[in-house]
Amino acid sequence: DTGVSQNPRHKITKRGQNVTFRCDPISEHNRLYWYRQTLGQGPEFLTYFQNEAQLEKSRLLSDRFSAERPKGSFSTLEIQRTEQGDSAMYLCASSQVAGGLYEQYFGPGTRLTVT
Amino acid sequence: GDSVTQMEGPVTLSEEAFLTINCTYTATGYPSLFWYVQYPGEGLQLLLKATKADDKGSNKGFEATYRKETTSFHLEKGSVQVSDSAVYFCALSDQGGGGNKLTFGTGTQLKVEL
Repeated sequence: DTGVSQNPRHKITKRGQNVTFRCDPISEHNRLYWYRQTLGQGPEFLTYFQNEAQLEKSRLLSDRFSAERPKGSFSTLEIQRTEQGDSAMYLCASSQVAGGLYEQYFGPGTRLTVT
Repeated sequence: GDSVTQMEGPVTLSEEAFLTINCTYTATGYPSLFWYVQYPGEGLQLLLKATKADDKGSNKGFEATYRKETTSFHLEKGSVQVSDSAVYFCALSDQGGGGNKLTFGTGTQLKVEL
C-alpha cells in the first residue's frame, strides 16, 4: 500500500493559464474525493467519485473547474483560466466503501500558486 | 448546512501538560465524527473517529467522546509531547461511517515546548 499520491506537488502558473493535477488513490479504493485548503482554513469539499461516476459537486466548483476519473482509477482536476483566488492546496483523498472501512486517506496535496 | 467549530489556536503547552481542544458541530442527521492531524510538511492523517453517540475514539494517547446531547467531540490527551506539535482538525461526515464528504473545522495549531 503506497498511499494516495498527487502530482505535481507544487505548481506556479500565471493568471489565465490552465492547469491540471493528478491523483492516484489507494489501489483498492473505489471512492475518490477532491478538497481545497487555503491558508489557515480547513479543507473544503469540491467533488467526489465512486468508481468513474462523479456523484456530487460543491457550489465551490465553478464552471472553470472540471474533474474526471475515466477508468475508476486515477483522477484529474483541471482549472481553466486560473485566477489569483484559485491559489490554494488541492487535496485528494480516497476511501473504500465496503466492509465497514470508510475512512478517507489523504494525499500530500498539490500547492497551486497563481501569479 | 453542516458545520464544525473548533477553538482557535495556537495552543501552546509545556511537555507533559494536559490537552483539550474543543470541537462542536451542527448537522441535520447523525454524522460520524473525526479528528485529523497535520504534522509540519505532511498530509492529513486520521487520528481517531467515532460513528455514534457515546462512542469514544482513541489513538496514540488521544481520546474524544461523541456527545450528542452537547453536539461536541472534544479532543484530549493526558500528557503531550513535543512530537504532538501539529495542526488538529475536527471533521464530520454526513453519512454513517464517513462515506460521504467531510466537513472540517478551521484547525487548531498545537505547539508543545520543553
